[in-house]
Amino acid sequence: DTAVSQTPKYLVTQMGNDKSIKCEQNLGHDTMYWYKQDSKKFLKIMFSYNNKELIINETVPNRFSPKSPDKAHLNLHINSLELGDSAVYFCASSQGESYNSPLHFGNGTRLTVT
Amino acid sequence: GDSVTQMEGPVTLSEEAFLTINCTYTATGYPSLFWYVQYPGEGLQLLLKATKADDKGSNKGFEATYRKETTSFHLEKGSVQVSDSAVYFCALSVPGANSKLTFGKGITLSVRP
Repeated sequence: DTAVSQTPKYLVTQMGNDKSIKCEQNLGHDTMYWYKQDSKKFLKIMFSYNNKELIINETVPNRFSPKSPDKAHLNLHINSLELGDSAVYFCASSQGESYNSPLHFGNGTRLTVT
Repeated sequence: GDSVTQMEGPVTLSEEAFLTINCTYTATGYPSLFWYVQYPGEGLQLLLKATKADDKGSNKGFEATYRKETTSFHLEKGSVQVSDSAVYFCALSVPGANSKLTFGKGITLSVRP
């Protein structure tokens, strides 16, 4: 059983389009995250939600809007896609705070903007 | 702010060689320290962790010791295998409201038979 699942695995789209990435976790965790991994493998946190409430928003452009309909789901919607948005986006979850609870990651969504 | 510095990569080793990957950190508080591993085509998974000074985290033959005096958390393995080929990330998280996991840049390890 997949613990943290993301869809789609690959997403190829043109500049200016709007797209969404979905994430679901079946671990019963209360905290979910979105991370962006660039072409050099550097990982940076974008958002964190705890029990459907936004708790971390790291200087991410307004074009990125996370939505958490319930604590098992955290979706990422991106408006007006730009070339620089090309990256691998990882969803993750944890039970409690990250300093004492390991994060469980999905397998990533590779977004390519042309 | 909080940050993690990893040695530059990539690293290529022969099977059964000794591995050391250096990691140092800067933190405003007393962080927990982690090593995560990313196998090709997969998400990250926790390899080991340590939450206080002099703690040693270990898993799958890998070890790292929390050294507060040198602000380091170097990863070691006595004998690497081809299956250890992956990207390794050092990370920290400082306790507090809305704590977050801050990663180093990652280092790619390739082990040849």
